Amino acid sequence: NAGVTQTPKFQVLKTGQSMTLQCAQDMNHNSMYWYRQDPGMGLRLIYYSASEGTTDKGEVPNGYNVSRLNKREFSLRLESAAPSQTSVYFCASSLLAGGTDTQYFGPGTRLTVL
Amino acid sequence: KQEVTQIPAALSVPEGENLVLNCSFTDSAIYNLQWFRQDPGKGLTSLLLIQSSQREQTSGRLNASLDKSSGRSTLYIAASQPGDSATYLCAVASGYSTLTFGKGTMLLVSP
Repeated sequence: NAGVTQTPKFQVLKTGQSMTLQCAQDMNHNSMYWYRQDPGMGLRLIYYSASEGTTDKGEVPNGYNVSRLNKREFSLRLESAAPSQTSVYFCASSLLAGGTDTQYFGPGTRLTVL
Repeated sequence: KQEVTQIPAALSVPEGENLVLNCSFTDSAIYNLQWFRQDPGKGLTSLLLIQSSQREQTSGRLNASLDKSSGRSTLYIAASQPGDSATYLCAVASGYSTLTFGKGTMLLVSP
């Protein structure tokens, strides 16, 4: 039981490049989330998926797109990376939707955009 | 908009001390409050979840309390150990759009 896994662990991009961050969970959870963590800002929600087939914007969705590929996988795509997207990205999952249940976090992806 | 504040931002204590971390939130209409631990360079680990109808939750040496009406929660750590050194994050669930996090308290427990 690996919990929540994220790939890659580290990534360096140049401005304008695109990439997809992958997330998978093996806990049969219904809901999945993408957060970013910046110094002095705390964790902020980018997008979430309450259930398979649905996605919704969080607090800071601009510049990102998501895909809930199936119940296990939730990917985050940066179409044209900007230096402001340099951050640590965390994926999380929970059995129940919204904030009503414990969320389980992955180890994070550290992204630098030059 | 819900705002979550954690005080202090950093705390350094000698091993064995009991300590309290504070969390306050601006909107008392919450589903629950959660405390997480984050080790350097790692993800978050859930410690305790207090439902809005509860007053406290305990897990081992950790005890979290919730006073929804005053918008406050405390995390009490008994007999602190060096292994407790980490950043502790408070998060509240209000509305359908999941969790609002505080910026955390960085705890250092020295031997």
